[in-house]
Amino acid sequence: DAGITQSPRHKVTETGTPVTLRCHQTENHRYMYWYRQDPGHGLRLIHYSYGVKDTDKGEVSDGYSVSRSKTEDFLLTLESATSSQTSVYFCAVSGTQETQYFGPGTRLLVL
Amino acid sequence: GQNIDQPTEMTATEGAIVQINCTYQTSGFNGLFWYQQHAGEAPTFLSYNVLDGLEEKGRFSSFLSRSKGYSYLLLKELQMKDSASYLCAVRERWNTDKLIFGTGTRLQVFP
Repeated sequence: DAGITQSPRHKVTETGTPVTLRCHQTENHRYMYWYRQDPGHGLRLIHYSYGVKDTDKGEVSDGYSVSRSKTEDFLLTLESATSSQTSVYFCAVSGTQETQYFGPGTRLLVL
Repeated sequence: GQNIDQPTEMTATEGAIVQINCTYQTSGFNGLFWYQQHAGEAPTFLSYNVLDGLEEKGRFSSFLSRSKGYSYLLLKELQMKDSASYLCAVRERWNTDKLIFGTGTRLQVFP
C-alpha cells in the first residue's frame, strides 16, 4: 500500500467552514499529489508537490491550497468549503519516473 | 488539448475474455498506466506501457500503439472479483510525474 494514510477518512462539514485533509507517507517518496474523484469526471489533479515546500497547481486548484513542510506530510486545505467540493479525495505518491500509488481516500460531504 | 476516452461500461461473463480500449490525444507522451478500482476503494496499479507492444502480467495484458494513440487492457479467464472500474492514465512529459486520467470503464462480470 506504499505506506500511505489519509485522515480523516470521512468528514461532514458545513458550507463556509475551513477543512484540512492530511496525507502521510512512510516511504520517503519525492512526489505527492491530491486528486478529487467525481462521477463522470474521473480523477482530477488538484495540487501536487515535488519536494518540501515545492508545490504546484493541477487542473482543478481553485478553492484549494496545499502545504508540504515535511517529506512525509502533504496537507490539502479548503479555505471555505462549498457544496461543489463534496467529493472523494485521494492522495498519491511516486518517485521520479515511477508509478503513482494511492492512499485509501477521504469522503467529504459539504452541507 | 488533452483527451482520454474509454467506454463507460462493459459487461462480460465469468471465464470469458474482455478487452477495454483507451484512446488518447495529449500534448506529449511518456507512458500509459492502467489502474483497477473496486467500488469504494482506492485505485491500484495494474500495468505500465511506454513502448509499443504487449505487456503480459498473469491474466492481465496491456497493449500500446503510440502512433495510433491507442491502448487496451485484456483480461482473461474473468472472475467475479474482476468486477471493478478500470482507469487509463497518460503521463505527458518525461520531467513530471503528473498523470491525466480517463473517466474509467466500469466492468461487470456475471456468473
